[in-house]
Amino acid sequence: NAGVTQTPKFRVLKTGQSMTLLCAQDMNHEYMYWYRQDPGMGLRLIHYSVGEGTTAKGEVPDGYNVSRLKKQNFLLGLESAAPSQTSVYFCASSQLAKNIQYFGAGTRLSVL
Amino acid sequence: AQSVTQLGSHVSVSEGALVLLRCNYSSSVPPYLFWYVQYPNQGLQLLLKYTSAATLVKGINGFEAEFKKSETSFHLTKPSAHMSDAAEYFCAVSDGTGGYNKLIFGAGTRLAVHP
Repeated sequence: NAGVTQTPKFRVLKTGQSMTLLCAQDMNHEYMYWYRQDPGMGLRLIHYSVGEGTTAKGEVPDGYNVSRLKKQNFLLGLESAAPSQTSVYFCASSQLAKNIQYFGAGTRLSVL
Repeated sequence: AQSVTQLGSHVSVSEGALVLLRCNYSSSVPPYLFWYVQYPNQGLQLLLKYTSAATLVKGINGFEAEFKKSETSFHLTKPSAHMSDAAEYFCAVSDGTGGYNKLIFGAGTRLAVHP
């Protein structure tokens, strides 16, 4: 069972570079989420999607963009990376009725 | 607004000792409450959830949590710690509305288990 798969697992960027993080789920979930995890702050929601073709802002959306062109995929983009975006990024998915979110293994991003 | 407070960013116990990780929440509506565990270099895994069916919730790996409305608490316990329990634990709250399962996470408690 693959569940939620994130690629890449690690990435180092220079300030100003761009990149895209990919999240794929094979559970046919409607809802997908991107979080960032910083020490002492738990997880904070960046963006989320309630279905194919729809996205919305979460708690900390600035500096990020997302797209959900296919139901199983949720992409997180950084157009111009900043050191403040150094973090661990987690993708999650869920079905509304069950109210449980399933998480990927994370992407560790360093911006120098 | 909902919020979660986890008391103690680090907890250390001996193997075989009681594990108690504290979580207090605030919510204007009856909440859904969750405990997730994160092992090193892994994503979060659901330990247990409370959705108003029973106040004492049993989860995986011998963990359980009790919902106490009067204390707005949802503390996580395990009678006897095992070395494999060493991980970071997150409490989270959701009001079940908003159409997207909005979860608010606490800052996390890192559990260390020593021989």
